[in-house]
Amino acid sequence: DAGVTQSPTHLIKTRGQQVTLRCSPKSGHDTVSWYQQALGQGPQFIFQYYEEEERQRGNFPDRFSGHQFPNYSSELNVNALLLGDSALYLCASSWGAPGTNNEQFFGPGTRLTVL
Amino acid sequence: AQSVSQHNHHVILSEAASLELGCNYSYGGTVNLFWYVQYPGQHLQLLLKYFSGDPLVKGIKGFEAEFIKSKFSFNLRKPSVQWSDTAEYFCAVNYPSNTGKLIFGQGTTLQVKP
Repeated sequence: DAGVTQSPTHLIKTRGQQVTLRCSPKSGHDTVSWYQQALGQGPQFIFQYYEEEERQRGNFPDRFSGHQFPNYSSELNVNALLLGDSALYLCASSWGAPGTNNEQFFGPGTRLTVL
Repeated sequence: AQSVSQHNHHVILSEAASLELGCNYSYGGTVNLFWYVQYPGQHLQLLLKYFSGDPLVKGIKGFEAEFIKSKFSFNLRKPSVQWSDTAEYFCAVNYPSNTGKLIFGQGTTLQVKP
């Protein structure tokens, strides 16, 4: 049973560029959440998708957007990259509607470096 | 603002020493509480969780945590650490009013010396 998978593993971009990160949830999971983890910090919630809709959003600008597909996989898009966007981006999946007490399983993350 | 505070940023222990990592959250309502661990080169894994019931929660690998509502705390403990416990530990809170959002502390790096 595959866990949460993310691609790519590492990515290097320059300021102003756009990036797309991908996530496949654990088998049987239908909710996907995205987190940003800066170096030396805990993960910060970006947004959560359920039934192909953004259900909740953290304190991130509109440059951060996402999508969930019918197979529950998800993408995170970041436009107009800034140096401060350099971080580990984590995807977490869970089962059931947001608010249900189900454990979130985390993927290995995508390390984004913005030069 | 809802937040989570971990008091110890870097802890160094010798094997067989006892461990206690502090975690406090800011909001006094109903909460769900978690401890996650990130071993070197690996992804975040759940150690234990508290939703309701017995405030003393037992997790994997001999870890336990105690929820003290009056102190807004959820401290992580282990009686005797091993070298393999070297990792980063994160406390996280979910407020049901925030649905699935997890709020993390900034983490504690534990280094266990053999």
